[in-house]
Amino acid sequence: NAGVTQTPKFQVLKTGQSMTLQCAQDMNHNSMYWYRQDPGMGLRLIYYSASEGTTDKGEVPNGYNVSRLNKREFSLRLESAAPSQTSVYFCASGAGFSGYTFGSGTRLTVV
Amino acid sequence: AQKITQTQPGMFVQEKEAVTLDCTYDTSDQSYGLFWYKQPSSGEMIFLIYQGSYDEQNATEGRYSLNFQKARKSANLVISASQLGDSAMYFCAMRRGGSNYKLTFGKGTLLTVNP
Repeated sequence: NAGVTQTPKFQVLKTGQSMTLQCAQDMNHNSMYWYRQDPGMGLRLIYYSASEGTTDKGEVPNGYNVSRLNKREFSLRLESAAPSQTSVYFCASGAGFSGYTFGSGTRLTVV
Repeated sequence: AQKITQTQPGMFVQEKEAVTLDCTYDTSDQSYGLFWYKQPSSGEMIFLIYQGSYDEQNATEGRYSLNFQKARKSANLVISASQLGDSAMYFCAMRRGGSNYKLTFGKGTLLTVNP
């Protein structure tokens, strides 16, 4: 099915370890986003990419880096994971005034 | 900066009744879009309905309608004839017009439909 694919779905990291969350979309959208969801906080924007080759910080970028590899792929990297980064991460893509499509989420636990 | 406020952390409704989930927003933009998403316990984000700031008619999608009151800056979601499968978290979100496509989310309302 067309849409947004995120990997992995679950991950447990030790404090200080690094990892990359992968995201790919096949809807030819220019814009892609990474959000984190914490209980009682809604979804908060970490980073976004308005088009291939550009990335910008969102509301909570500290501790993360991103790469817009091409139009399809937008990855999120945690260089040195911290317990505060325990969260559910969502990738999304969108095309202007329309519904944004979300991936199925990555549940990350940092111990 | 944009802000979305959902004042109802939790709501209960009887099956087959209608329910309104509240959403107010704050923006100085003239052009913006308002969205509602559903998140069931399985975790995926499901797009429900969209309202543009210049749309004169309230948006409707099946059993979902958006009660858009621009002067009051409110965008309430109305679900008619609630079903057990409507039990979920519901998020209101807003994006600015122009080239800034970021979505800003409210904190959500947990809806429980009772049989």
